[in-house]
Amino acid sequence: GAVVSQHPSWVICKSGTSVKIECRSLDFQATTMFWYRQFPKQSLMLMATSNEGSKATYEQGVEKDKFLINHASLTLSTLTVTSAHPEDSSFYICSALSDSGNTIYFGEGSWLTVV
Amino acid sequence: AQSVTQPDIHITVSEGASLELRCNYSYGATPYLFWYVQSPGQGLQLLLKYFSGDTLVQGIKGFEAEFKRSQSSFNLRKPSVHWSDAAEYFCAVGAIAAGNKLTFGGGTRVLVKP
Repeated sequence: GAVVSQHPSWVICKSGTSVKIECRSLDFQATTMFWYRQFPKQSLMLMATSNEGSKATYEQGVEKDKFLINHASLTLSTLTVTSAHPEDSSFYICSALSDSGNTIYFGEGSWLTVV
Repeated sequence: AQSVTQPDIHITVSEGASLELRCNYSYGATPYLFWYVQSPGQGLQLLLKYFSGDTLVQGIKGFEAEFKRSQSSFNLRKPSVHWSDAAEYFCAVGAIAAGNKLTFGGGTRVLVKP
């Protein structure tokens, strides 16, 4: 099946710094990607929809200035957590809409720990 | 707005026994329905999906799911569980009208007893 790759798998950063997470569709073009956040033992919470060549659409309650999303190409979307704080520590997962438009594939996720 | 309910938070099943995970959805039209599996600390793997047609859908790893419109359900089943099936299972609903955004259920954690 289609493959979506995230990098890094885990990252530790200091409070106040910014960290970037990449999401790539490896064998298909994805005009739409999605970013989720998952707290321990909880379900996935959609943060934003990333559309290639346009601004991301954020879900209610998600700070767009804190979670910067860029979808510069048909195979890459990035999530930048700016001025990270310990409460931003979480598991971040991206997904990509298949070029057929009817299946969504997920990346492996990225663990972010802010110390 | 679309929503998904997975009534069972935890299910414990013996290895070799059958498994059924419940999923109920709410959506105005025919939704796209998905089941994903997540092992601890990892991303989600697609097990199967339903868009239209045959209401009994076959997936990977021996799983199947049945779409029942009258009950707004999309339950996941496996006839004989293996220890490697221990994981978290998520049911999700999406639709083109909603921008293909997926709404997830709360998840069901499956524990497999030897």
